[in-house]
Amino acid sequence: DTGVSQNPRHKITKRGQNVTFRCDPISEHNRLYWYRQTLGQGPEFLTYFQNEAQLEKSRLLSDRFSAERPKGSFSTLEIQRTEQGDSAMYLCASSLVLSGELFFGEGSRLTVL
Amino acid sequence: GQQLNQSPQSMFIQEGEDVSMNCTSSSIFNTWLWYKQDPGEGPVLLIALYKAGELTSNGRLTAQFGITRKDSFLNISASIPSDVGIYFCAGQLSDSGNTPLVFGKGTRLSVIA
Repeated sequence: DTGVSQNPRHKITKRGQNVTFRCDPISEHNRLYWYRQTLGQGPEFLTYFQNEAQLEKSRLLSDRFSAERPKGSFSTLEIQRTEQGDSAMYLCASSLVLSGELFFGEGSRLTVL
Repeated sequence: GQQLNQSPQSMFIQEGEDVSMNCTSSSIFNTWLWYKQDPGEGPVLLIALYKAGELTSNGRLTAQFGITRKDSFLNISASIPSDVGIYFCAGQLSDSGNTPLVFGKGTRLSVIA
């Protein structure tokens, strides 16, 4: 399967713990995006990378959220000191540069108790 | 931020019926995309539209990029049970992909056999 891969698919954590999600994009795609989706809503943009450069991060929800793509391949999204309001589906997508067509992974569902 | 208004929010139809849903915005978009999302999964790209007035089909699905560039619609003909899911429109402001995709809140489709 050469689609976008995310793991873990599900994460249950206690409030105050740190969590990290990983995304492996489609191999030839230069751009990688992180979105968040809560129940009944559409995906909400968080940040994106072109290769290893993070080109937009102002939409990250707070300074507890950070993302990296150190070698321009896979990416990680970390949430520090989780809060119950962080419970959501975290979606990763990738695309070619200059293409608006984003291809999404299956998502990582976070539940904060 | 940019907002896309999708309607209807939900639909219940009989198998075999045609379906129409639309998306409007106060902003002009250069790209419109339609996605389908099944429960617990990531959105899957159905159709991408790049030019005002463009009409594109993908099997039983047809989508159009509105002339004003502020709206788009999606039609599904002869619905079948596997069409059940949430349909999202998404728009992009720039041609270069340097602005993130903005999503509507979705139209939830239920098909009664």
